[in-house]
Amino acid sequence: AQSVTQPDIHITVSEGASLELRCNYSYGATPYLFWYVQSPGQGLQLLLKYFSGDTLVQGIKGFEAEFKRSQSSFNLRKPSVHWSDAAEYFCAVGLNSGGGADGLTFGKGTHLIIQP
Amino acid sequence: KAGVTQTPRYLIKTRGQQVTLSCSPISGHRSVSWYQQTPGQGLQFLFEYFSETQRNKGNFPGRFSGRQFSNSRSEMNVSTLELGDSALYLCASSFTPNYEQYFGPGTRLTVT
Repeated sequence: AQSVTQPDIHITVSEGASLELRCNYSYGATPYLFWYVQSPGQGLQLLLKYFSGDTLVQGIKGFEAEFKRSQSSFNLRKPSVHWSDAAEYFCAVGLNSGGGADGLTFGKGTHLIIQP
Repeated sequence: KAGVTQTPRYLIKTRGQQVTLSCSPISGHRSVSWYQQTPGQGLQFLFEYFSETQRNKGNFPGRFSGRQFSNSRSEMNVSTLELGDSALYLCASSFTPNYEQYFGPGTRLTVT
């Protein structure tokens, strides 16, 4: 079964500083990869996705992520964080089976704190 | 385009009761998935429906069930509620399976 690891439970970053959130997955083939963000009391908002092609993908709110097959990683980055970026971030993996639908497997999340 | 809507947003039930949660997907989306979110277990896949058929189910007991209607709206039902069923239940819709999923705000279920 596939699994997703987000090694950092909490990350604190100063406003204006750069950000990198780590995500590693375990799966036999190339999966679909996603990053979602969740603010308190809210649902999940899709930040970006990787299905195939260019390994550097751009998302909303200035976020980007890079797929590295050799490292089974899909790290999320932002060059300069804003106080409004404080939230819970989830990396997720979906099957690239072309016909199946087994749901997304999520990491445990990384709680991002922004210091003024 | 309106997003995924879920009703009700908050629900308090007693152990042993049953509950039905509703989800309306984004217009044009035919696939609906359900997830349970708890502090201890995180986000876990419950099941997915596409064209009124359940395509897959996560590792949950048979007390958890769902269905999808011809207009793609979906409901999930939990019977004989247990304290451990207290969670945020999230619905997600996608155009078809294997497309990106868009989540609703969730239904917060509290079982007392």
